[in-house]
Amino acid sequence: EPEVTQTPSHQVTQMGQEVILRCVPISNHLYFYWYRQILGQKVEFLVSFYNNEISEKSEIFDDQFSVERPDGSNFTLKIRSTKLEDSAMYFCASSAGTGYYGYTFGSGTRLTVV
Amino acid sequence: ELKVEQNPLFLSMQEGKNYTIYCNYSTTSDRLYWYRQDPGKSLESLFVLLSNGAVKQEGRLMASLDTKARLSTLHITAAVHDLSATYFCAVDIRTYKYIFGTGTRLKVLA
Repeated sequence: EPEVTQTPSHQVTQMGQEVILRCVPISNHLYFYWYRQILGQKVEFLVSFYNNEISEKSEIFDDQFSVERPDGSNFTLKIRSTKLEDSAMYFCASSAGTGYYGYTFGSGTRLTVV
Repeated sequence: ELKVEQNPLFLSMQEGKNYTIYCNYSTTSDRLYWYRQDPGKSLESLFVLLSNGAVKQEGRLMASLDTKARLSTLHITAAVHDLSATYFCAVDIRTYKYIFGTGTRLKVLA
């Protein structure tokens, strides 16, 4: 069964450093998403991406965050200057369309900011 | 802003018992999804509900959607230990995002 692949599985970074989280969505999917989950809490929407541009973003997705699909296969989330409160599990997801298809989530990247 | 609430937040039940998890949402929607999450793991899709009255069943789990009441239920029949996990509902209001519920942590005791 096709999978969404995320790397790394765990990243530890110093506060103020830049991090890039990487995702390889399912190859024929058109819609891409980032969500995050602070430990033990609910899953929060960050951003959606379609046709090489951001479709929607949440209040969390401020100027410190950016997304890119640099080469037609990878989908990246960059955090420019990490804060302690950015520590969370970050999930990438993709879908073939809206509605019927649902999302397929990746296994996540656990980001720890120290 | 769409709010999605689940109850209960925590559920401890004996094996063999039945129980229902409720997902209420605040804005009109006819698209609702259920996911399962094991500790430290990703979100596994369980059910896709796309119309009023939709009912889906898989094994001991059955999900339904009442769009008029803005309510979805996830019913567990004869629970077994393997069903222990956190269950999330997620609502799509035809924007480019889902809004997830608060989650229900289920523990099935032998």
